[in-house]
Amino acid sequence: EDKVVQSPLSLVVHEGDTVTLNCSYEVTNFRSLLWYKQEKKAPTFLFMLTSSGIEKKSGRLSSILDKKELSSILNITATQTGDSAIYLCAVEYGNKLVFGAGTILRVKS
Amino acid sequence: DGGITQSPKYLFRKEGQNVTLSCEQNLNHDAMYWYRQDPGQGLRLIYYSQIVNDFQKGDIAEGYSVSREKKESFPLTVTSAQKNPTAFYLCASSYRGVGKETQYFGPGTRLLVL
Repeated sequence: EDKVVQSPLSLVVHEGDTVTLNCSYEVTNFRSLLWYKQEKKAPTFLFMLTSSGIEKKSGRLSSILDKKELSSILNITATQTGDSAIYLCAVEYGNKLVFGAGTILRVKS
Repeated sequence: DGGITQSPKYLFRKEGQNVTLSCEQNLNHDAMYWYRQDPGQGLRLIYYSQIVNDFQKGDIAEGYSVSREKKESFPLTVTSAQKNPTAFYLCASSYRGVGKETQYFGPGTRLLVL
């Protein structure tokens, strides 16, 4: 059965901390891995990763895929209270996405 | 403005009632998707459609039905056969093709059972 597992399930940090969120997958016919941020409603797209070892960056966020280990990490440096959200990992296979349960991040001021 | 709209924002269902959730997009996306989100379970795929007049069941299609008569619209009906419909429902759309499958989400509809 195809599955995506995220860890930790929840995390509380202080402003300025650096966090690393993990995503591992067991999916046949892997095409890409995507990260989304969900605050109150619609998930918003962060990154799409298709190639192993190539880091993608957007401001304080970065992500990398390891196809050998079937995993990806999402790093957030110098966290801010606005980073508080659910971070979702999804893996594309065929023409569908399968989502992990998400990591709930809370950044305290 | 281009985007995905869902309505209503909140929906209340009585026992034995069918209700329909609306999803419209003006992004010219080929594919559209419906997900259900429950606490601690991430998003689960209900139905998806790659082209007009065609759709496929996702992982939890029982108790739901859809139609795709127009490219822009993909309504979801929650039937009385769905015994636990209380959840947050998200619609998404994307282009088709390898590397183009980034899905963009609507604001969601929260369905509650009276």
